[in-house]
Amino acid sequence: DAGVTQSPTHLIKTRGQQVTLRCSPISGHKSVSWYQQVLGQGPQFIFQYYEKEERGRGNFPDRFSARQFPNYSSELNVNALLLGDSALYLCASSLELAPYNEQFFGPGTRLTVL
Amino acid sequence: AQSVTQLGSHVSVSEGALVLLRCNYSSSVPPYLFWYVQYPNQGLQLLLKYTSAATLVKGINGFEAEFKKSETSFHLTKPSAHMSDAAEYFCAVSANSGYALNFGKGTSLLVTP
Repeated sequence: DAGVTQSPTHLIKTRGQQVTLRCSPISGHKSVSWYQQVLGQGPQFIFQYYEKEERGRGNFPDRFSARQFPNYSSELNVNALLLGDSALYLCASSLELAPYNEQFFGPGTRLTVL
Repeated sequence: AQSVTQLGSHVSVSEGALVLLRCNYSSSVPPYLFWYVQYPNQGLQLLLKYTSAATLVKGINGFEAEFKKSETSFHLTKPSAHMSDAAEYFCAVSANSGYALNFGKGTSLLVTP
């Protein structure tokens, strides 16, 4: 079975631009979460979606937004990019929304903001 | 708020030696705890998880962790390190908000010949 897939793999943007990152969960998984991993740090939670509804949001500015589609894939949008947005963006999917469910991570999208 | 603290940002062991990576949690309720591994330029892979079924949890690749409520700890161990164990290891706790994961800052494991 295919794992979590993310696109693109790498992305280079300039300050002020907007970016859209995409994620396809494992087949049958209904929950998708987004994390930001700055170099040398642990992943930080951004959003969680379940059945197309936002179920959790981390401490990120309104420049960050996301959505989940009927096929459970998801997009993360970041507007007005800052240098500090440079990071690895990880998508994770899980079968259901439960605290004990394993979250399966994709390989990530490496965003560089110049 | 539920959080974890990983003690030691870098740990170096010799091949064949015991691996011990430390994680302490802060939680007002019984936590769900996880250990993930991240190899260079890859996503995270689950090693094991604690869900209150047993205090000693066995995971993949010979790793195990013991939940100690009295010490609020969930340390990761492996009896004998392999070169292939060199990676970044993250401890995480399931948060209240949407059950997302709160990660520690990570411990980089170096295995020397």
